[in-house]
Amino acid sequence: ELKVEQNPLFLSMQEGKNYTIYCNYSTTSDRLYWYRQDPGKSLESLFVLLSNGAVKQEGRLMASLDTKARLSTLHITAAVHDLSATYFCAFKETSGSRLTFGEGTQLTVNP
Amino acid sequence: DAGVTQSPTHLIKTRGQHVTLRCSPISGHKSVSWYQQVLGQGPQFIFQYYEKEERGRGNFPDRFSARQFPNYSSELNVNALLLGDSALYLCASSLGRAVFPQHFGDGTRLSIL
Repeated sequence: ELKVEQNPLFLSMQEGKNYTIYCNYSTTSDRLYWYRQDPGKSLESLFVLLSNGAVKQEGRLMASLDTKARLSTLHITAAVHDLSATYFCAFKETSGSRLTFGEGTQLTVNP
Repeated sequence: DAGVTQSPTHLIKTRGQHVTLRCSPISGHKSVSWYQQVLGQGPQFIFQYYEKEERGRGNFPDRFSARQFPNYSSELNVNALLLGDSALYLCASSLGRAVFPQHFGDGTRLSIL
């Protein structure tokens, strides 16, 4: 059974600061997703990472994947208030078709 | 193009009742998956349907059932509702059975009193 551990679960940071969210997963996976969710809203796809060493960047967010360490990271650079949301990582098992989500990181960026 | 649409957006039921949630996938998408998101947690996989057949089932009791219609829309049915069924129910569609990313709808918020 694929398990996903995401940390931290809560993150409060000041505007302009950098931070990293970590996702560890327990078994082989052939792709990793990062989603953003605003309160009361659905999931917005941010990144899809398909291979070891993959790195993708969009604005102040950068995601990476290390399949050997079974680790993905979401790095936030110079945070702004608009980034406040809950961020989820999700893995798809190599042999399956379902997504397994982490518990989410609730990010609050303070002025 | 329209995204994934779900109805209703909100629903209030009492314990023991049953509920039907509906989902229309993006045009051309043949796979529909259902997820349950309890407040403060990540979404949990319930079902996947592809070409009108169940292709995956999560760890949910038999009170949960679903089906997919010839137009690829889908229904999620939950019988004998419990307080713990209160959640946001998300529908996601994709082109094929194992084709990602999945595109999520806005969800149905189900409250059980």
